[in-house]
Amino acid sequence: EPEVTQTPSHQVTQMGQEVILRCVPISNHLYFYWYRQILGQKVEFLVSFYNNEISEKSEIFDDQFSVERPDGSNFTLKIRSTKLEDSAMYFCASRLRPVYEQYFGPGTRLTVT
Amino acid sequence: AQSVTQLGSHVSVSEGALVLLRCNYSSSVPPYLFWYVQYPNQGLQLLLKYTTGATLVKGINGFEAEFKKSETSFHLTKPSAHMSDAAEYFCAVSPPNDYKLSFGAGTTVTVRA
Repeated sequence: EPEVTQTPSHQVTQMGQEVILRCVPISNHLYFYWYRQILGQKVEFLVSFYNNEISEKSEIFDDQFSVERPDGSNFTLKIRSTKLEDSAMYFCASRLRPVYEQYFGPGTRLTVT
Repeated sequence: AQSVTQLGSHVSVSEGALVLLRCNYSSSVPPYLFWYVQYPNQGLQLLLKYTTGATLVKGINGFEAEFKKSETSFHLTKPSAHMSDAAEYFCAVSPPNDYKLSFGAGTTVTVRA
């Protein structure tokens, strides 16, 4: 069964460093998402992406964040200058069309020290 | 705007007993509703979804949920708990024409032998 994959599974970085989290969505899917879950808190929407542009973004998704689909298969989330409060599990998701369910990857745990 | 409330952050059941996880939502339009499960160190897996049509929906692993518009609820049930059902369960909602999911805080289920 096709699945969403994410790399790395765990990333440790120092405050102020740039990180790139990578996702490979299911191959024929058209809509892509990033969510995050701070330890002990709700899963929160960050951004949605369709047709090579951002469809919607949350208040969390400020200028420090960016997304890209560089090669038609990968979908990346970049955090330009990480803060301690960016420590969280980041989930990538994809879906074929809006009426269909979102498929989630296993997540990348980001630890900012 | 949509929001989801899951009553009870922890539920403990005996093996073979009924599992009941409560979810209430608020939405300005008839929403799509979802239940996801997260096993330790894994991503979010869709259990079931309601979009339109029959209000009782059946999902994987013997789970089912009923959409009750008058009560704005989408409670998840399983008649007989199994040890493998120990996990965290998330209720989520999205408007039909929107792209993002809004999640509840999650309910952790433990199953006693």
